[in-house]
Amino acid sequence: DAGVTQSPTHLIKTRGQQVTLRCSPKSGHDTVSWYQQALGQGPQFIFQYYEEEERQRGNFPDRFSGHQFPNYSSELNVNALLLGDSALYLCASSYPTSGVSETQYFGPGTRLLVL
Amino acid sequence: AQSVAQPEDQVNVAEGNPLTVKCTYSVSGNPYLFWYVQYPNRGLQFLLKYITGDNLVKGSYGFEAEFNKSQTSFHLKKPSALVSDSALYFCAVRDRRGKLIFGQGTELSVKP
Repeated sequence: DAGVTQSPTHLIKTRGQQVTLRCSPKSGHDTVSWYQQALGQGPQFIFQYYEEEERQRGNFPDRFSGHQFPNYSSELNVNALLLGDSALYLCASSYPTSGVSETQYFGPGTRLLVL
Repeated sequence: AQSVAQPEDQVNVAEGNPLTVKCTYSVSGNPYLFWYVQYPNRGLQFLLKYITGDNLVKGSYGFEAEFNKSQTSFHLKKPSALVSDSALYFCAVRDRRGKLIFGQGTELSVKP
């Protein structure tokens, strides 16, 4: 049973560029959440997608956008990159109709470096 | 607003000794609490969760956590630490809409 997968594993961009990160959820999961983890910090929630809609959003600017496809995979897009966007981007999948027992399972992350 | 706090940046224990990684929480309503572990340059691995029921929750790799409502704590424990347990540990609370709110993390170092 494949877990959550993310691509690419590493990425180097320059300021002002745009980046797209990809995530495939764990088999049977239909909800994808994205988190940003800066060096030495805990993960911060960016947004969550369910049924191809953004269901909840954290305190991130509109430069951060996402998409969920009919097969439940998801993309995170960041426009006009800033040096401060350098971080590990984590994708997590879950099956929310499990109710209060919902557990998010994380992928290995994409390490983004903005120069 | 819901939050968790991990008061120790680092915990050092000797192999074979018991370990405790502390977490306190602040929530309105019922707390849904989680522990995750992160190895270097890796994603987070789920260890255990408290939703309801028994205050002692057992999880993966011999870890357990004790939920204490009066002290608003959810400390992670293991009776006998292994060198391979050395990693970064995160406590998290889930809000009603599904967002996880993480603590700052505690680095556990287990020495032989």
